[in-house]
Amino acid sequence: GAVVSQHPSRVICKSGTSVKIECRSLDFQATTMFWYRQFPKKSLMLMATSNEGSKATYEQGVEKDKFLINHASLTLSTLTVTSAHPEDSSFYICSARVAENSNQPQHFGDGTRLSIL
Amino acid sequence: DAKTTQPPSMDCAEGRAANLPCNHSTISGNEYVYWYRQIHSQGPQYIIHGLKNNETNEMASLIITEDRKSSTLILPHATLRDTAVYYCIVRAGSARQLTFGSGTQLTVLP
Repeated sequence: GAVVSQHPSRVICKSGTSVKIECRSLDFQATTMFWYRQFPKKSLMLMATSNEGSKATYEQGVEKDKFLINHASLTLSTLTVTSAHPEDSSFYICSARVAENSNQPQHFGDGTRLSIL
Repeated sequence: DAKTTQPPSMDCAEGRAANLPCNHSTISGNEYVYWYRQIHSQGPQYIIHGLKNNETNEMASLIITEDRKSSTLILPHATLRDTAVYYCIVRAGSARQLTFGSGTQLTVLP
């Protein structure tokens, strides 16, 4: 089945550091990938939609200059949390779908737990 | 996407069938029903999806009512490893992203 790989699985760093998270589709090409954020005991919230070769689309309230998204190839999207602060600590999860405009399910990475000290 | 309503929590004895309900009374004709689960500290795992007919795979069965206003996910023989939050989501095939609700916390008891 379709596999989405996310790296790293866990990051602990100091306030003010920028952190890059990678999301790869391992056995399929994805023109669109999705980035979610999940706070403890809460559901997943969509942050942005990553579009290969073009700008990402951000959900309302998500700062595009804070969360930089790059989707340079059909198998890789990256999310960079710039100048991270403790309030950015969260579980970040990426997702991709095998085929656009179809009923095919989205597949998710295992998430990245970000802890800012 | 249509909203869904799920009970916040359920318990099930190990080895018994777990039946997780979902109401989606405002579902549109082109919207599919998807089920995912999330085990603690992992990304969501796809389980099954369907449009009108009942579906079965190696993980579970999906029963959709004739009027499509509700569905039930059935785990035939629950194990401790099935303890997770289960999300029922409705989405049109043309829609891009999945929108998650609160889900049902299923706890399988030994």
